Amino acid sequence: NAGVTQTPKFQVLKTGQSMTLQCAQDMNHEYMSWYRQDPGMGLRLIHYSVGAGITDQGEVPNGYNVSRSTTEDFPLRLLSAAPSQTSVYFCASSYSRTGAGEAFFGQGTRLTVV
Amino acid sequence: ELKVEQNPLFLSMQEGKNYTIYCNYSTTSDRLYWYRQDPGKSLESLFVLLSNGAVKQEGRLMASLDTKARLSTLHITAAVHDLSATYFCAVTGTASKLTFGTGTRLQVTL
Repeated sequence: NAGVTQTPKFQVLKTGQSMTLQCAQDMNHEYMSWYRQDPGMGLRLIHYSVGAGITDQGEVPNGYNVSRSTTEDFPLRLLSAAPSQTSVYFCASSYSRTGAGEAFFGQGTRLTVV
Repeated sequence: ELKVEQNPLFLSMQEGKNYTIYCNYSTTSDRLYWYRQDPGKSLESLFVLLSNGAVKQEGRLMASLDTKARLSTLHITAAVHDLSATYFCAVTGTASKLTFGTGTRLQVTL
């Protein structure tokens, strides 16, 4: 059972480039979310989805887009990378449609924007 | 806006000692989670606390929840080096979104 799979694990981007962070889960979870982790700030919610076709903004959505065309996949797009987006990104999923259940996390993507 | 505060932010303790990590949150919630993160790794779920007075134990770790005080504690008994990690609490707030504390980095020394 793979759980939550994120790719890539590491990425270096130049300022202004765009890219997509991939996230897939095989647990048939309705709720999926993206967080970024910065030193001393815990995890902050970027975007989340309560099911296919439904997405909403979290605490720090600017500069990021998401879509949810299937239950399994929830990609995160950086539109025009900035050094402030250097961070570790985690995708998570939860069995509860409301997101109230225990979250299962992917292994993370370490992104550096130069 | 839901705020979650943990203290201490950093804890260095000797093997065999006991200590408690505190997690305070600002608005009513009846769901609280504890996670562990090893350096460079993902988050691993430790405990799910769903009601006032809930207490859960796993090995040398015990978590409790007081919803009236908006407080959860993670108690470490007779610490061992393998418990060295960063511990996060997270609370379900508006629209059931999880809000995380800033984490407590625990270092257990010989």
